[in-house]
Amino acid sequence: RKEVEQDPGPFNVPEGATVAFNCTYSNSASQSFFWYRQDCRKEPKLLMSVYSSGNEDGRFTAQLNRASQYISLLIRDSKLSDSATYLCVGHMYGNKLVFGAGTILRVKS
Amino acid sequence: DADVTQTPRNRITKTGKRIMLECSQTKGHDRMYWYRQDPGLGLRLIYYSFDVKDINKGEISDGYSVSRQAQAKFSLSLESAIPNQTALYFCATSDLLGQGRNEQFFGPGTRLTVL
Repeated sequence: RKEVEQDPGPFNVPEGATVAFNCTYSNSASQSFFWYRQDCRKEPKLLMSVYSSGNEDGRFTAQLNRASQYISLLIRDSKLSDSATYLCVGHMYGNKLVFGAGTILRVKS
Repeated sequence: DADVTQTPRNRITKTGKRIMLECSQTKGHDRMYWYRQDPGLGLRLIYYSFDVKDINKGEISDGYSVSRQAQAKFSLSLESAIPNQTALYFCATSDLLGQGRNEQFFGPGTRLTVL
């Protein structure tokens, strides 16, 4: 079993829709989590950090459920520019990050 | 100017050749990392360094070596390239902020093709 697992998608949604991604992790000792955004053939960039139960930044909300070992990312009022791959990342141990394979989001007009 | 730079950005080489990928950063971070990304597999850690004298293997270090020449420079070498090392390679840096916070900043990537 992978340490961090994501539904690869793609999620195809219309502009203005609300979309949610889930990510599960296997190591209960993990300390913190991140959502990174990666555009095609570009480097990953930090979208949100999740250190406790959750975090909200504008249209984006991340939640952490330690009991069930999953992290979610909610995007409200989707924009065309939100189209990208979203990487779920866990800070597991030894100050290293473990990356999920990513979830593809396509927002269409 | 970019905080994390990688050279070359693209490279095509032949099996058996020695290749070096270079990474430089101006963020002043102590920690540097090399990852490779393959379709459907996400990013996998090759090597990481927490300071100039500290080098550690990641989950897929076989076939690779690294050199931390200075705080700002971290190079990845493929001593004898093979086709399954064809991938997108990323360098990243971080500075531990405490409480397990380890946000990483990535370079633009090097697309390596081994024929």
